[in-house]
Amino acid sequence: QQPVQSPQAVILREGEDAVINCSSSKALYSVHWYRQKHGEAPVFLMILLKGGEQKGHEKISASFNEKKQQSSLYLTASQLSYSGTYFCGTEVGGSEKLVFGKGTKLTVNP
Amino acid sequence: DTEVTQTPKHLVMGMTNKKSLKCEQHMGHRAMYWYKQKAKKPPELMFVYSYEKLSINESVPSRFSPECPNSSLLNLHLHALQPEDSALYLCASSQEELSRLDEKLFFGSGTQLSVL
Repeated sequence: QQPVQSPQAVILREGEDAVINCSSSKALYSVHWYRQKHGEAPVFLMILLKGGEQKGHEKISASFNEKKQQSSLYLTASQLSYSGTYFCGTEVGGSEKLVFGKGTKLTVNP
Repeated sequence: DTEVTQTPKHLVMGMTNKKSLKCEQHMGHRAMYWYKQKAKKPPELMFVYSYEKLSINESVPSRFSPECPNSSLLNLHLHALQPEDSALYLCASSQEELSRLDEKLFFGSGTQLSVL
């Protein structure tokens, strides 16, 4: 039931772009994206609902492909502040249970 | 106030101790959660309270005992823990139940627990 994230880690230079993928073997109702910096709490970025919509937050956007049961997070013109571990979370069967993927560690260097 | 406050920030306890973790939010959220996070791992759900009633228990050992005294407060009582229980314990809340979709989790900064 745990969604699969890829890649496990990404190293970028400031200004470069990255894509993080999240896929599930189960039908998805929604996909959450969170970012956690070292020693801090996870912070909500955005939620994608059924319908293949895209959303944006600063220079971070995401898409949700219901048919492929996957979501992608796009980080454009990365900034140093984007460094952290990104988790996608998927809801299990419309319950209160949000299951997180193993995370993608993003490092942005000057 | 858009914060979820957790106390204490750090806790060291022996295997025979009894301690409690506290979580508080004043955003009027009706769902509250306990997650456990090991180093370099994702948060794992332990318990969910919805409208002050326990709605999900993810087969957590009985040495962890949750309590929701009111809609703003969530406790996690710890007793006879094992060293493998050492982890970051995160509390979270949401306006309504996640099943209503378009709901998001607000996380507290966590309690780093070490069991000796």
